[in-house]
Amino acid sequence: DQQVKQNSPSLSVQEGRISILNCDYTNSMFDYFLWYKKYPAEGPTFLISISSIKDKNEDGRFTVFLNKSAKHLSLHIVPSQPGDSAVYFCAAYYDKLIFGTGTRLQVFP
Amino acid sequence: EAQVTQNPRYLITVTGKKLTVTCSQNMNHEYMSWYRQDPGLGLRQIYYSMNVEVTDKGDVPEGYKVSRKEKRNFPLILESPSPNQTSLYFCASSLFSGSYEQYFGPGTRLTVT
Repeated sequence: DQQVKQNSPSLSVQEGRISILNCDYTNSMFDYFLWYKKYPAEGPTFLISISSIKDKNEDGRFTVFLNKSAKHLSLHIVPSQPGDSAVYFCAAYYDKLIFGTGTRLQVFP
Repeated sequence: EAQVTQNPRYLITVTGKKLTVTCSQNMNHEYMSWYRQDPGLGLRQIYYSMNVEVTDKGDVPEGYKVSRKEKRNFPLILESPSPNQTSLYFCASSLFSGSYEQYFGPGTRLTVT
């Protein structure tokens, strides 16, 4: 039973435009959410996080939005850059970290 | 440099031949964990350790063993590998079990024929 779902396996965006990556979850007990970024041949690295008591967290070009009623979070990247091309995993934490399936983002010139 | 290291990075082996993937962290983290990444399934936790000599099963522990004799090391052992254990494996660590942010190693790609 997948508690954290990323329904889009891939996304292609033009450089300079906004990238929106989505994530849905089923467990209302999750109290913290994270996004990880993974380049080929490297391990995932932490990108940005949000507590369940907030609905938005911003860090430079990256903003995460949380909609608890819809059990949905999204990662916005503005403006997108070619170096953002990677696989993005969302993750949710209750008593342990549960990862989504990942979305491959490609940013083209 | 603060890091998690894994060895080997790539391994091709045959069914039934015991193998060990090593993991070491230099950040004095208490919590360590092993994940496998498979297409369409994301990252799934195999085993975790909250501290030295304390280990527990994750979501997919079958066919794997771990040990935590020292704080910095957390090897993953496959006593009798099978083809369904072909996967990309990641070791991760965090300051303690309740820490949200985990630091990942570079991964070990294992192929079992």
